[in-house]
Amino acid sequence: GAVVSQHPSWVICKSGTSVKIECRSLDFQATTMFWYRQFPKQSLMLMATSNEGSKATYEQGVEKDKFLINHASLTLSTLTVTSAHPEDSSFYICSARLRENEQFFGPGTRLTVL
Amino acid sequence: GQNIDQPTEMTATEGAIVQINCTYQTSGFNGLFWYQQHAGEAPTFLSYNVLDGLEEKGRFSSFLSRSKGYSYLLLKELQMKDSASYLCAVMDSNYQLIWGAGTKLIIKP
Repeated sequence: GAVVSQHPSWVICKSGTSVKIECRSLDFQATTMFWYRQFPKQSLMLMATSNEGSKATYEQGVEKDKFLINHASLTLSTLTVTSAHPEDSSFYICSARLRENEQFFGPGTRLTVL
Repeated sequence: GQNIDQPTEMTATEGAIVQINCTYQTSGFNGLFWYQQHAGEAPTFLSYNVLDGLEEKGRFSSFLSRSKGYSYLLLKELQMKDSASYLCAVMDSNYQLIWGAGTKLIIKP
């Protein structure tokens, strides 16, 4: 199957700082990428849909000024958590769409905000 | 609204068979997916059903009935490594995945 990478795989930061997470499709081009958040013992929650060359579409309740998404190329989308707080600590997972019914997930990024 | 239901937790014995059910109500249907997720890891793809019937892939099989809004994942010859959460997800009319909360499967020796 297609490969999606995420970097970093884990990050610890101080409250009030910003953290950038990268999501790359390594062997295919993805016009659409998705960002999910998963809290312990809960299912995936879609945060936003990232479309190459246009603004991301955010789900209800997700602050677009806090979670900045940039999909600058067909193989890279970034999620920046601005002014992170402890409640933002979570497992962030991206996925890239190869075809309409095929998505491939990155390995996830565990964010801990102190 | 859109809704995916699956049991929260199931327990089974090594070597046995277990069936994890999923019922759904979504706006449109473009297929149903099953993913496996081990603790601390991202989901990995198991199966995709878009037509009614059973899809078999090794020890894992997935069944779909669109008229009943129902699917199940069948795991045979259970191994300890099958202990994980199993996520049911439906792709709606906008090709967006709607996720169930996941079923935590515990395998006992």
